Amino acid sequence: GAVVSQHPSRVICKSGTSVKIECRSLDFQATTMFWYRQFPKKSLMLMATSNEGSKATYEQGVEKDKFLINHASLTLSTLTVTSAHPEDSSFYICSATGGYSNQPQHFGDGTRLSIL
Amino acid sequence: AQSVAQPEDQVNVAEGNPLTVKCTYSVSGNPYLFWYVQYPNRGLQFLLKYITGDNLVKGSYGFEAEFNKSQTSFHLKKPSALVSDSALYFCAVREIANTGNQFYFGTGTSLTVIP
Repeated sequence: GAVVSQHPSRVICKSGTSVKIECRSLDFQATTMFWYRQFPKKSLMLMATSNEGSKATYEQGVEKDKFLINHASLTLSTLTVTSAHPEDSSFYICSATGGYSNQPQHFGDGTRLSIL
Repeated sequence: AQSVAQPEDQVNVAEGNPLTVKCTYSVSGNPYLFWYVQYPNRGLQFLLKYITGDNLVKGSYGFEAEFNKSQTSFHLKKPSALVSDSALYFCAVREIANTGNQFYFGTGTSLTVIP
């Protein structure tokens, strides 16, 4: 089945650091990738949608200068949390889907980000 | 507007009993419907989907879901629950006519299977 690899799985760093999270589709071409943030009470918040080769579409309230998304190829998207602060600590999950609308999203295993 | 509702935050069921996790949806056209499961500190795993055809869809780990157009529901079911089924379950919808790629997720239902 379709596999999405997300790396790193856990990051602990100091406030002010920038952190990059990678999301790779290993066995299919991901025309669209999604980035989510999951809060402790479990709900998924869609942060942005990115299509290969074009700028990401950010959801309302998500700072595009804070959360930089790049989708340079059909198998790789990155999320960079710039100048991270403790309030950015969260579980970030990426997902990817191919070119057909009846295909499910395939999720990475998430990244637990902890900012001290 | 598209939306998905999971009316129960928490469902508890005894091991061996049937389980149901509820989902209702709202789309202006015809839907694609999905169920996902999430184990602690992991991403979501795809369980099953309804695209077209039979209203009863079978998926991974013995789960199934029934598409009910008149009630706009897509409840997840399993005849006999296992302790290992304890996890967080998400329902999602995508409108077929939607030229965008966005899915809409419910808020999740935490399932606990009691030994």
